[in-house]
Amino acid sequence: AQKVTQAQTEISVVEKEDVTLDCVYETRDTTYYLFWYKQPPSGELVFLIRRNSFDEQNEISGRYSWNFQKSTSSFNFTITASQVVDSAVYFCALSEFNTDKLIFGTGTRLQVFP
Amino acid sequence: GAVVSQHPSRVICKSGTSVKIECRSLDFQATTMFWYRQFPKQSLMLMATSNEGSKATYEQGVEKDKFLINHASLTLSTLTVTSAHPEDSSFYICSAGGGGRDEQYFGPGTRLTVT
Repeated sequence: AQKVTQAQTEISVVEKEDVTLDCVYETRDTTYYLFWYKQPPSGELVFLIRRNSFDEQNEISGRYSWNFQKSTSSFNFTITASQVVDSAVYFCALSEFNTDKLIFGTGTRLQVFP
Repeated sequence: GAVVSQHPSRVICKSGTSVKIECRSLDFQATTMFWYRQFPKQSLMLMATSNEGSKATYEQGVEKDKFLINHASLTLSTLTVTSAHPEDSSFYICSAGGGGRDEQYFGPGTRLTVT
């Protein structure tokens, strides 16, 4: 069965601190996709990244970076030099190859204080 | 990125009435649309998958007679909450995919309050 675990319910940091959001997943498939979404207070989901299971390269996009480790079934997300605008709930999600259904983790609420 | 709209953004209805929520893909043809429900401070739970021209596939535990889904065209899916009760109050989010696109694109959500 598929499952996504985000053990951190809430994280609070002060602006300019680095913060890592953890994501651990379970799936029996060898081909799957992993995602991160941001949900600001407005509620709309913002797509951040999609990664397929065959691509273990880490990715950096500005202040955002992702560390995909198949050996530990983890897909962690790091925000460098956090800003107040990064305050949101962040969801990690998984979908298997032959379906577009997304299985979401429980989300991590990030609060960045000035 | 692709644009998906939802209407209405907020709705308040009385217990026992039905409410229809529309999900539209504005700039691409969505062969598949998904409906999610999100309770306050909780995760998104998939309710059903809707394919254009065929019956929706509901997730376990979701009542198909209560949550009617119609995907009549490649740009429109509707979710009707029938005989709504206060426990149906939630944030309903749709997403659209297909048409050669790899990702799903999410609508802005509809906040339903049943009094």
